[in-house]
Amino acid sequence: ELKVEQNPLFLSMQEGKNYTIYCNYSTTSDRLYWYRQDPGKSLESLFVLLSNGAVKQEGRLMASLDTKARLSTLHITAAVHDLSATYFCAVDDNAGNMLTFGGGTRLMVKP
Amino acid sequence: DGGITQSPKYLFRKEGQNVTLSCEQNLNHDAMYWYRQDPGQGLRLIYYSQIVNDFQKGDIAEGYSVSREKKESFPLTVTSAQKNPTAFYLCAIGTTGELFFGEGSRLTVL
Repeated sequence: ELKVEQNPLFLSMQEGKNYTIYCNYSTTSDRLYWYRQDPGKSLESLFVLLSNGAVKQEGRLMASLDTKARLSTLHITAAVHDLSATYFCAVDDNAGNMLTFGGGTRLMVKP
Repeated sequence: DGGITQSPKYLFRKEGQNVTLSCEQNLNHDAMYWYRQDPGQGLRLIYYSQIVNDFQKGDIAEGYSVSREKKESFPLTVTSAQKNPTAFYLCAIGTTGELFFGEGSRLTVL
């Protein structure tokens, strides 16, 4: 059974600071996804990582994937308040049938 | 307007009643999914369908039923057998794993 764990579960940080969210998963997979969810809203796709060593960047967010370590990171650079949201990673079962989600990291950026 | 449409956005139900949540898409995707989200939690897969007239159970299918009679539609019925149905329900479509979500339906059991 595929298990996906994120840490931290909650992160409060000051604007301008850097931080990293971690996503570990339990079985072999080459495909990992990051999503953002604002309170009361649906999920928005942020990054698609499809191979070992993949790195994607969008604005102040950068995601990477190490399939050998079964680890993905979401790095936040110089955080701003607009980044406050819950971030989820999700891992494909390698058959393309279903995603298993982590529990989410609730990020709060304080001015 | 294209995309994924879920309805209703909010729904209240009395205990013992079945309710059906609608999910419609006009993006011509084969695969459709239903997830459940509880407060402060991640998403858990209820059912998914990769082709018309076929669907598979996810991790928490008990107390739910689905149908896939048309490519565009994948309704979810929350039956009275679901003991704790209050949750946020998200429908998604996808190809090779990447999912795109509808706006969600929030079900509250009174």
